[in-house]
Amino acid sequence: AQKITQTQPGMFVQEKEAVTLDCTYDTSDQSYGLFWYKQPSSGEMIFLIYQGSYDEQNATEGRYSLNFQKARKSANLVISASQLGDSAMYFCAMRVPPFAFGNEKLTFGTGTRLTIIP
Amino acid sequence: EAGVVQSPRYKIIEKKQPVAFWCNPISGHNTLYWYRQNLGQGPELLIRYENEEAVDDSQLPKDRFSAERLKGVDSTLKIQPAELGDSAVYLCASSFLRSSYEQYFGPGTRLTVT
Repeated sequence: AQKITQTQPGMFVQEKEAVTLDCTYDTSDQSYGLFWYKQPSSGEMIFLIYQGSYDEQNATEGRYSLNFQKARKSANLVISASQLGDSAMYFCAMRVPPFAFGNEKLTFGTGTRLTIIP
Repeated sequence: EAGVVQSPRYKIIEKKQPVAFWCNPISGHNTLYWYRQNLGQGPELLIRYENEEAVDDSQLPKDRFSAERLKGVDSTLKIQPAELGDSAVYLCASSFLRSSYEQYFGPGTRLTVT
């Protein structure tokens, strides 16, 4: 079974500062994918970034980067130069295997509520 | 490109009543997912469709929940009868084929059972 742990229920960050959202995962599989989603108050989940377990480079998408430390089983999201619009819930998720070839599903953590302070 | 559409956005019903949620995925997306998100939790998968076939419904409480995707496009999730514990946000998502790792989510339906 897979498990995602997000230990920060809430964070407050000053605008323009960088922020790191923690995520640790547990799986016995060697092939998996890690995801981060943003959920604003409007409710939809917005895909931010993806990291495959065999990817050697940390994933980056604009202001988002994923600090992937495989030995520690952590996949922290880093948001550089935070903006007021970044205020939302952030969920870390895992899929085993990374692509949809079988009875895979996204397993989500409990989320972190990020509030950007002007 | 239109996103995933869900209706209604909000629903309040009394326990033991039936309720249905509708989802229209992004055009061309073959795979459709229904998730339930309880308050303070991440979404949990209820059922996944590949075209009109339900390929993973292991988490769907089949005694009261049912779903259909008759023509492989839009989908309906039904609860009958609803219980207090069914209060949650029901999210629909879609993706293009099995090889796509990116799922696109709709805004969800917030269900309150009183």
